[in-house]
Amino acid sequence: ILNVEQSPQSLHVQEGDSTNFTCSFPSSNFYALHWYRWETAKSPEALFVMTLNGDEKKKGRISATLNTKEGYSYLYIKGSQPEDSATYLCALTGNQFYFGTGTSLTVIP
Amino acid sequence: EAQVTQNPRYLITVTGKKLTVTCSQNMNHEYMSWYRQDPGLGLRQIYYSMNVEVTDKGDVPEGYKVSRKEKRNFPLILESPSPNQTSLYFCASNFPGDTQYFGPGTRLTVL
Repeated sequence: ILNVEQSPQSLHVQEGDSTNFTCSFPSSNFYALHWYRWETAKSPEALFVMTLNGDEKKKGRISATLNTKEGYSYLYIKGSQPEDSATYLCALTGNQFYFGTGTSLTVIP
Repeated sequence: EAQVTQNPRYLITVTGKKLTVTCSQNMNHEYMSWYRQDPGLGLRQIYYSMNVEVTDKGDVPEGYKVSRKEKRNFPLILESPSPNQTSLYFCASNFPGDTQYFGPGTRLTVL
């Protein structure tokens, strides 16, 4: 079992604020790092897959970076909107997927 | 439409009564997985399959069985369900190395 940790566990921000959270993982045996967005009562939806140290991905106001040598990835949301409220999951993969417990984001209008 | 389907979506059953949750994908994915989601514990992988007739245990396989006789289907079988298997279950599929696509979830209650 690989230990994937996410912090903070939950976060409340005001609409318009930018925010970021962290996914930490063992730097050895790295294959790929995934980010998912999970809204209440829905299924997780993929945001990014990153494989290379130094990878940066962007999708609208959401971006992510990856540091495989030190074992972390950051997810950034610029100008948070209420519709960004969700749980953000990261997962480390090889043959199996190892998910963190997620960061729950609430954006207050 | 590319999708992963699960049935049933909701199920209430009693201890010991065998049940099967079906999962089907139409994207020709080699990989399929089952997860359970419990409060505070995140998504935990039960079983996964890398192709037809190839299945492996995930982190929490006890009390579950799977089979992969066809590429598109990956049913989850609970031979003798117990209350500690009350949970939200997700099926997912993906190409190797690619992102997973999740089904809508099955909420199971075992009384």
